[in-house]
Amino acid sequence: EVELLESGGGLIQPGGSLRLSCAASGFTFNDYPMTWVRRAPGKGLEWVSIVTNIGSTYYADSVKGRFTISRDTSKNTVYLQLNSLRAEDTALYYCAKGRDGHGYIFDYWGQGTLVTVSS
Amino acid sequence: DIQMTQSPSTLSASVGDRVTITCRASQSISSWLAWYQQKPGKAPKLLIYKASNLESGVPSRFSGSGSGTEFTLTISSLQPDDFATYYCQHDNSFPLTFGGGTRVEIK
Repeated sequence: EVELLESGGGLIQPGGSLRLSCAASGFTFNDYPMTWVRRAPGKGLEWVSIVTNIGSTYYADSVKGRFTISRDTSKNTVYLQLNSLRAEDTALYYCAKGRDGHGYIFDYWGQGTLVTVSS
Repeated sequence: DIQMTQSPSTLSASVGDRVTITCRASQSISSWLAWYQQKPGKAPKLLIYKASNLESGVPSRFSGSGSGTEFTLTISSLQPDDFATYYCQHDNSFPLTFGGGTRVEIK
């Protein structure tokens, strides 16, 4: 059974940093792209970043230069480093797995980790 | 970047109604479109991929159509479990983007 478990969220001051983690199990981690998607309070889903199965990375314009995605295949874990945080980064952050054969849509999702940026 | 626009933003309907949600892309995305359902407090659930392909386990009352820049998600007979928010997402190129969402509520 596929499981994705996010952690690392919390309350952080503007300008601060956090590292989110997503531990994956139940599938061959190396074979699939992994992504982060967020949902701000009262807003819709916003795609944030993706790391492909060959390690290429892509970002939304809103986070480019501030967030960094990475994967550790030895730990079956994907990370999102959040730097220079702003109030508008406050959101529930989900990690998700790329679908077999269509890697840039997402068939399994975690339950999310909440990031609150506030002084 | 490709912008995705959904309409309506909110839809009021009754059980048994046929419901259609529209998603428009700012440029052609061929058939590279997915639909998700999200309920309060839950993670999104993939319903449709490549515009018209039903994800395994999704009821057949859901269907998707379209290509190029205009797409639709149809629920043929709305069930109580279907009251939720629906999102489209393109996977044509990076950056990926979601539509703004359509909330389906009870009339």
